[in-house]
Amino acid sequence: NAGVTQTPKFRILKIGQSMTLQCAQDMNHNYMYWYRQDPGMGLKLIYYSVGAGITDKGEVPNGYNVSRSTTEDFPLRLELAAPSQTSVYFCASTADGGNTEAFFGQGTRLTVV
Amino acid sequence: AQSVTQLGSHVSVSEGALVLLRCNYSSSVPPYLFWYVQYPNQGLQLLLKYTTGATLVKGINGFEAEFKKSETSFHLTKPSAHMSDAAEYFCAVSRNTGGFKTIFGAGTRLFVKA
Repeated sequence: NAGVTQTPKFRILKIGQSMTLQCAQDMNHNYMYWYRQDPGMGLKLIYYSVGAGITDKGEVPNGYNVSRSTTEDFPLRLELAAPSQTSVYFCASTADGGNTEAFFGQGTRLTVV
Repeated sequence: AQSVTQLGSHVSVSEGALVLLRCNYSSSVPPYLFWYVQYPNQGLQLLLKYTTGATLVKGINGFEAEFKKSETSFHLTKPSAHMSDAAEYFCAVSRNTGGFKTIFGAGTRLFVKA
């Protein structure tokens, strides 16, 4: 029972490079989320999706893009990496609305230099 | 807009002492409320949640929280701290605003002294 799987676990990027953070869940959850975690700031919602083909912005979407072509996958794209995007990124999923438990991946630690 | 405030970025208690982690929320309608725990280098795990019904909610590992609408609070407590409780704790709020979005507090790191 894998739950939510994120890859990679660690990555170092140079300024201006691009990359995709992968997220997959095997629980057939409709809702998926991307958060970033910075020290003392808690988790900030970047983007979320309520189902395949539907995505929406969260609190801090600038510099990121997402897509949701299948129920299982929700990749996060960084087009032009900036030092301000150095953070730990978490993907999460919930079965439906906000009254259900969120399941989190193990996180991706990204450093932009 | 809804928001979550956790009072105290760090809390230190002795083993066996009461744990109290404070959380206040702002929301124009009663939200769903959660507490999550994060151990080092791991993702978040659900401790407990309040949706409807009884305002005192019991969770895993002996934790509980009480929803107080008049105080807009959802404080987390545990009668007796254990060394294994040392972690970061996040309060979160969610409600349907045309698609549920869960908003997290800044987190409180709990230290447990022997």
